[in-house]
Amino acid sequence: DTAVSQTPKYLVTQMGNDKSIKCEQNLGHDTMYWYKQDSKKFLKIMFSYNNKELIINETVPNRFSPKSPDKAHLNLHINSLELGDSAVYFCASSQELYTQYFGPGTRLTVL
Amino acid sequence: GESVGLHLPTLSVQEGDNSIINCAYSNSASDYFIWYKQESGKGPQFIIDIRSNMDKRQGQRVTVLLNKTVKHLSLQIAATQPGDSAVYFCAETPRSYNTDKLIFGTGTRLQVFP
Repeated sequence: DTAVSQTPKYLVTQMGNDKSIKCEQNLGHDTMYWYKQDSKKFLKIMFSYNNKELIINETVPNRFSPKSPDKAHLNLHINSLELGDSAVYFCASSQELYTQYFGPGTRLTVL
Repeated sequence: GESVGLHLPTLSVQEGDNSIINCAYSNSASDYFIWYKQESGKGPQFIIDIRSNMDKRQGQRVTVLLNKTVKHLSLQIAATQPGDSAVYFCAETPRSYNTDKLIFGTGTRLQVFP
């Protein structure tokens, strides 16, 4: 019973391409997040959605666009991929304020 | 600026010993702190949390201590096991934010030797 799932787990693509990462949670949580983890393991929040509404939008290039079709899903679409976008992207969800549960991550490699 | 940092990037301990992972935070307005464990190839996993009105909280084999005077947080793991090997992150939520934004520290790698 996977609580927070992401697809794909690995994504290798060429610079300039457009790609999407999908996230689903079956915990019934109202809030979902996207985080980026760089090669030094530093985790930084990118976006947060509460009941399909954007709550947090950090300083992220507008090539990144989150989409939440319903409160159980939060997808991340990335346009015109750049080398610096290579990282591990984590989806998370929470119900109570603060306690966030993370997905397994998507390792994105841009060549 | 905001920062949550750790004193040691890598901590090596022998199996059975106790481990202490430290974290310093800079925002005195933070009112909630969490420790996460991240094993290789996996997402961060919630371990234990503590609110600013407490100075100690215990879980199963883990204890979190909060010293608001010096803005210091620590995670103590009793009888460390090989399965505890991972990267540990502290995270804080500054009260100045009316959202559930977590700010993560840089992480400490715990290595457990037999």
